[in-house]
Parts: sequence; structure tokens; C-alpha cells
Amino acid sequence: AQKITQTQPGMFVQEKEAVTLDCTYDTSDPSYGLFWYKQPSSGEMIFLIYQGSYDQQNATEGRYSLNFQKARKSANLVISASQLGDSAMYFCAMREAYSGAGSYQLTFGKGTKLSVIP
Amino acid sequence: NAGVMQNPRHLVRRRGQEARLRCSPMKGHSHVYWYRQLPEEGLKFMVYLQKENIIDESGMPKERFSAEFPKEGPSILRIQQVVRGDSAAYFCASSPASVPDTQYFGPGTRLTVL
Repeated sequence: AQKITQTQPGMFVQEKEAVTLDCTYDTSDPSYGLFWYKQPSSGEMIFLIYQGSYDQQNATEGRYSLNFQKARKSANLVISASQLGDSAMYFCAMREAYSGAGSYQLTFGKGTKLSVIP
Repeated sequence: NAGVMQNPRHLVRRRGQEARLRCSPMKGHSHVYWYRQLPEEGLKFMVYLQKENIIDESGMPKERFSAEFPKEGPSILRIQQVVRGDSAAYFCASSPASVPDTQYFGPGTRLTVL
């Protein structure tokens, strides 16, 4: 089974509008972390936001917020007031507490390509 | 404060040659991860190293691939006898010992095998 599922291969949003990118995850670990990364066409991976499984409040970083619904195992990224520079691939990732020999490896979804329309 | 550095940024090899990818972690970071991104895919974990130790290589192919992180110098991902299927972007990430799951990614090395 996929550990991280991003069901939207591509999304379009009008500039200045808000957009939600979906992410569901699968783990039996009680302690885990969820991350969102942005990958523009230049290729680098840019960290956006982090949510720990025990965090009581949804994480926010500027225009980014994470809609964390633990019971549903979802961690959707919300981008408010979209800008043209937000056009990129967006990846959801998970770090499980007990993933292999004390490793903190991240498991990534396949990504969502966001296009912001002027 | 320099970020994670990877070189070369682009590497072209012919089938059967060796590829060496280098990663210099951020200053003060002692943990290094390597990930591979195939076209149209997310990143997949390959190996996790600390100085002079391989901690987790569960994502590394069993043959032709090796990694090291010596006491001095960068971490090296080595691919011997490359094949076309090795064409991908290879990312390195580093983290400090104090917060090992906060990973900072380098710009990646794009390997093309002809």
C-alpha cells in the first residue's frame, strides 16, 4: 500500500485565490512527522512546512498552512493568495519514528503540479 | 552560511562508465541522506549515513551502488557500470545530530546515461 497518496496529478488556481493540495498517509506508528516540499522547474527541493503527529494545532508558515486531520490521516496543504511564483510541483512526505535501523528517512508522494493562472 | 552543496549539477555518462556524485552537508551537520528521483516521480530514499558509518541502506540497489561519508570531505554516492535506468536526479539532504529529522536538501545532481 502507498504510504503517501497525492491524488491530484495537476491543479490550476487563479492568481490571488487559495488552493488546497491533498495528501493522505498510511502509518501505524504513533509518532510521525509530515512535511511539504516545493520543487520549482529549476529542480531544487524547498521545505515549506512541518506537522508533528502530536502537535495540537495545525502548522502555519506565512501563506502556507497544513490542514491536519489525524483521524482521517490527511495532511492537506493550503496556499492562500496564490502567486505566479507558486507554480511548481508540490510533494507531501512522511517521516515515521521506526523506519529502519534508527533512520529518519522521508517517504514521498508522487506530487501535484500546481499551475497559477494570471 | 552555505547550504547543502552537490556537484556536479549535471553529469553525463555512457553505459558501463562510473558515476561519482558528491554532497557537502551544511556546516555542523553530521547526518546525510541520499534520495533518487526518477522522471515524473517523487523522491525515493536510498541511504542514510553518519560520519564514517552507514546507518540505513535499505533503499540502495544491491549491486553497483555504494555510498560513503568519510571523516573528512564530502559524502560520495558511487554508481558503477551505469545503465540507462540510472538516469535520474539524485538529491542529498543533511541534518544536524540535534534535530535529525529536519532535512535540508541540496540542489540535486541530474545524471543522464547515454
